[in-house]
Amino acid sequence: DAGVTQSPTHLIKTRGQQVTLRCSPKSGHDTVSWYQQALGQGPQFIFQYYEEEERQRGNFPDRFSGHQFPNYSSELNVNALLLGDSALYLCATTSYRPSSGANVLTFGAGSRLTVL
Amino acid sequence: QQPVQSPQAVILREGEDAVINCSSSKALYSVHWYRQKHGEAPVFLMILLKGGEQKGHEKISASFNEKKQQSSLYLTASQLSYSGTYFCGTPERSYDKVIFGPGTSLSVIP
Repeated sequence: DAGVTQSPTHLIKTRGQQVTLRCSPKSGHDTVSWYQQALGQGPQFIFQYYEEEERQRGNFPDRFSGHQFPNYSSELNVNALLLGDSALYLCATTSYRPSSGANVLTFGAGSRLTVL
Repeated sequence: QQPVQSPQAVILREGEDAVINCSSSKALYSVHWYRQKHGEAPVFLMILLKGGEQKGHEKISASFNEKKQQSSLYLTASQLSYSGTYFCGTPERSYDKVIFGPGTSLSVIP
């Protein structure tokens, strides 16, 4: 069973357009978080979904929205794209790791969005 | 609030040691450490759950000083494969939301 799968891997959009990014978690992993990682920076938390509901949200405008489906897969939508939205978008699932005694994040490879 | 990491970048020769620090102005309940190689996803290294806890992972270990609100990652006898960007993450008190630092770029050269 593969880990976290994201699509597309790369895409180019122009300002004002809309984009949808997709994430398929490993089977049974029900908590999905989305992060934005600008070049040379750490991942910034966008929001988290659990049981098809947005559970937590970071400091991102309403242009950023998401959805989680019954099979736990998730989408990130960004409307009215700005140049500053160019970044790597990472999806992460949460799972309990017995060896660590805590929940840890498993990241997908990301979707690199370029806005021109 | 985002944790602070130091140094921003470090270059090592194979076999040398390095320390990466992570600190926060807020109380830390636990600290995650992740490594991201160029063009890849961040990968979990270890988590420290209690103040004073120390953990090891091959020649990479970490400590957590809850009182000083800081954690340090120790890389000993570095290998070329240790190159990458290291991030510390501090979960909010609420469930699972992890806030990451800006990262420390580590380059190991022959």
